[in-house]
Amino acid sequence: AQSVTQPDIHITVSEGASLELRCNYSYGATPYLFWYVQSPGQGLQLLLKYFSGDTLVQGIKGFEAEFKRSQSSFNLRKPSVHWSDAAEYVCAVGTGNQFYFGTGTSLTVIP
Amino acid sequence: DSGVTQTPKHLITATGQRVTLRCSPRSGDLSVYWYQQSLDQGLQFLIQYYNGEERAKGNILERFSAQQFPDLHSELNLSSLELGDSALYFCASSGPTGANVLTFGAGSRLTVL
Repeated sequence: AQSVTQPDIHITVSEGASLELRCNYSYGATPYLFWYVQSPGQGLQLLLKYFSGDTLVQGIKGFEAEFKRSQSSFNLRKPSVHWSDAAEYVCAVGTGNQFYFGTGTSLTVIP
Repeated sequence: DSGVTQTPKHLITATGQRVTLRCSPRSGDLSVYWYQQSLDQGLQFLIQYYNGEERAKGNILERFSAQQFPDLHSELNLSSLELGDSALYFCASSGPTGANVLTFGAGSRLTVL
């Protein structure tokens, strides 16, 4: 069965520091991969997506993610975190018309 | 604004009651998905409609039902509400063909007292 694992429930980083959020998936073929950001009281906003091709994808707000087939991973990165990046980050896998979501990683940014 | 509209944003009701949540998909999208997000839990898939027909069903309780109307808006009906039904309910829509991407609404927060 398809599944998405985000091993880190909560991460705290200092403003200006780099960030990497982990995401692992279980799926027999190459899935569509997504990262969403959810701010309090808001819906989920798409940060970036991977369908095929270049395994390093760029998204909005300075985020990028790298698909590693051998590790079944799609980790999200940002070189320098801003205080406004504090939010919940959710990784998702799409297979056909179905989508599977991780439980999210809550990011706290300290000044 | 994502283009997906959900109403109401907040709803407080009592156990045993029935509520209806409404979703208007993004213009041109034919699929509507409903998800439940409880405290400290990930998104739980409830049900999907495509152009008015039920396409897939997830962990939706029998007390819950949904439909998609000819104008493509969708409603999620929750009945005999229990305390445990308190959650954020998200609607998302996706396009008609190809590699679909979900666009989410802002959610409806249901509190059952």
